[in-house]
Amino acid sequence: DAGVTQSPTHLIKTRGQHVTLRCSPISGHKSVSWYQQVLGQGPQFIFQYYEKEERGRGNFPDRFSARQFPNYSSELNVNALLLGDSALYLCASSFDKGQGEEQYFGPGTRLTVT
Amino acid sequence: AQSVTQLGSHVSVSEGALVLLRCNYSSSVPPYLFWYVQYPNQGLQLLLKYTSAATLVKGINGFEAEFKKSETSFHLTKPSAHMSDAAEYFCAVSPSPRKLTFGTGTRLTIIP
Repeated sequence: DAGVTQSPTHLIKTRGQHVTLRCSPISGHKSVSWYQQVLGQGPQFIFQYYEKEERGRGNFPDRFSARQFPNYSSELNVNALLLGDSALYLCASSFDKGQGEEQYFGPGTRLTVT
Repeated sequence: AQSVTQLGSHVSVSEGALVLLRCNYSSSVPPYLFWYVQYPNQGLQLLLKYTSAATLVKGINGFEAEFKKSETSFHLTKPSAHMSDAAEYFCAVSPSPRKLTFGTGTRLTIIP
């Protein structure tokens, strides 16, 4: 089975622009979570979606939004990009068996804001 | 709030030597703990997880971790380091379903 896939792999944007990142979960997984990993730091939780509804949100501004589609794929949108948004954005999927369940991560999208 | 602290941002060991990566947790309830590995320019791969079934947890690639409540620790070990173990290692706790809170990571370097 294919793992979690993310597109694009790399992206370069200018300050003030908008970006959309995409994620396809492992087949059968209904939950998708998004994380931001700034260089040299651990991943930070942004959003979690299950059955197309937002079930959790981290400490990120409203410029960050996401949605989940009927096929359980997901998009992360970031508006009005700032230099500080440069990071590796990771998507993770899970079956949603509850707390303690492992998440499976994609390879990430590296966003560079200039 | 549940959190984890990784001691040592960089660890270097000789090939064949013991690997010990330290992680301490903060939680008022029994935590769900994880170790992930990240190779350069890749996503995270699960090494092992603790869910209270057993205090000694065995993972992939010869790694294991022991949950010690008295020390609030969940250190990762491997008896003999291999060159392919060079990577970034992250300890994480799950404070709620489908959410992980990560430590700052430990970069492991293997000396030939």
